[in-house]
Amino acid sequence: QITLKESGPTLVKPTQTLTLTCTFSGFSLSTSGLSVAWIRQPPGKPLEWLAIIYWDDDKRYNSLLRSRLTITKDASKNQVVLTMTNMDPVDTATYYCAHRLLRDLVFDYWGQGTLVTVSS
Amino acid sequence: EIVMTQSPATLSVSPGERVTLSCRASQSVNSNLAWYQQKPGQPPRLLIYGASTRATGIAARFSGSGSGTEFTLTITSLQSEDFAIYYCQQWNNWPPAATFGQGTKVEIK
Repeated sequence: QITLKESGPTLVKPTQTLTLTCTFSGFSLSTSGLSVAWIRQPPGKPLEWLAIIYWDDDKRYNSLLRSRLTITKDASKNQVVLTMTNMDPVDTATYYCAHRLLRDLVFDYWGQGTLVTVSS
Repeated sequence: EIVMTQSPATLSVSPGERVTLSCRASQSVNSNLAWYQQKPGQPPRLLIYGASTRATGIAARFSGSGSGTEFTLTITSLQSEDFAIYYCQQWNNWPPAATFGQGTKVEIK
């Protein structure tokens, strides 16, 4: 059974760096073809794909946010970490990590999400 | 960036009715189209991928169709548990990129 869970601060100040951790079980990011993504959703707004990391450590980012994002993995700990620099109130959102359905960039298992508020 | 436009924004329907939701892409995405259902306080749930393939465990009353720029999600005989927001999502496999529509809310009439 695949599960994912996000953790990190619920409140960050503008200009600070956000660090979120996704801890998962039921699969290994050492397995060929597997990957984990981050997606966010501002309150009452649609979803926005942020980044993905593959089993071979390849990393891809939303082109609009690339300069602010870093995604890493620790396969031995079953964790994926997302950092986002220079946080702004518009970055207030629920941040989800998700398992990619094999081969296609769609997401079949999601964490429950963690709400991050950016405010001074 | 490919823009996904969903219509209508809100749909008021009665249980048992047939529902058709639309999603249009600003340029062709072939069949790289997925549909998700989201209920308040929950993460999205994958319903359909590849435009028409039901995800594991999804009821047969959900079906997807379309290709290129025009896509449809159909729910036959809407059940009470189907009242939710539905999002479409397109993707490129390489380079990886994904964008979501703004959602259609299906509410009780």
